[in-house]
Amino acid sequence: QKEVEQNSGPLSVPEGAIASLNCTYSDRGSQSFFWYRQYSGKSPELIMFIYSNGDKEDGRFTAQLNKASQYVSLLIRDSQPSDSATYLCAVKSNSGYALNFGKGTSLLVTP
Amino acid sequence: DVKVTQSSRYLVKRTGEKVFLECVQDMDHENMFWYRQDPGLGLRLIYFSYDVKMKEKGDIPEGYSVSREKKERFSLILESASTNQTSMYLCASLGSAMGGASTDTQYFGPGTRLTVL
Repeated sequence: QKEVEQNSGPLSVPEGAIASLNCTYSDRGSQSFFWYRQYSGKSPELIMFIYSNGDKEDGRFTAQLNKASQYVSLLIRDSQPSDSATYLCAVKSNSGYALNFGKGTSLLVTP
Repeated sequence: DVKVTQSSRYLVKRTGEKVFLECVQDMDHENMFWYRQDPGLGLRLIYFSYDVKMKEKGDIPEGYSVSREKKERFSLILESASTNQTSMYLCASLGSAMGGASTDTQYFGPGTRLTVL
């Protein structure tokens, strides 16, 4: 069974702080890693993807990947109340087409 | 922009009814997926299709079937709806990630919240 684990939260951070969301995965053959944001009652929306070890930055978002430790994270700088949502980590292996999703971490940014 | 649409946002059906959920994508993607999402259980893959008339079972196919007669359209069928199929159903299409070289990013439709009474 290919597992993707996330802390369910809620993770509460004050406005303007850095939110750090973490994800571990069990399949060493995983090659592609994605972060989706999901607002309550809405469908998941892709915000970041990363394939190589290291950091990848896009605006206030930074994805970090460490394949040796089987760990991927998402940092959100200058967190805003509008960032309050559930963040889903998804992992794809070399074989097959489907993504394996974690159950998501709920983030609450308080004014 | 990739556009994935689903036939209904909200649907209420009775136990035993046959239910059709439709999904259409406009990006000529070959791969399409059906998930259901339940509190505490996350996203679970029901079926996916990698080409017209081709399908593969996901993690929870029991009680469901699918149809892919045209590339842009992927239908999920509940042959005889039951109350435990009350859920949010999400369709996804797989294509290039944000204009990059990768072709393994899934884009989701808005979802259908199905209630079976």
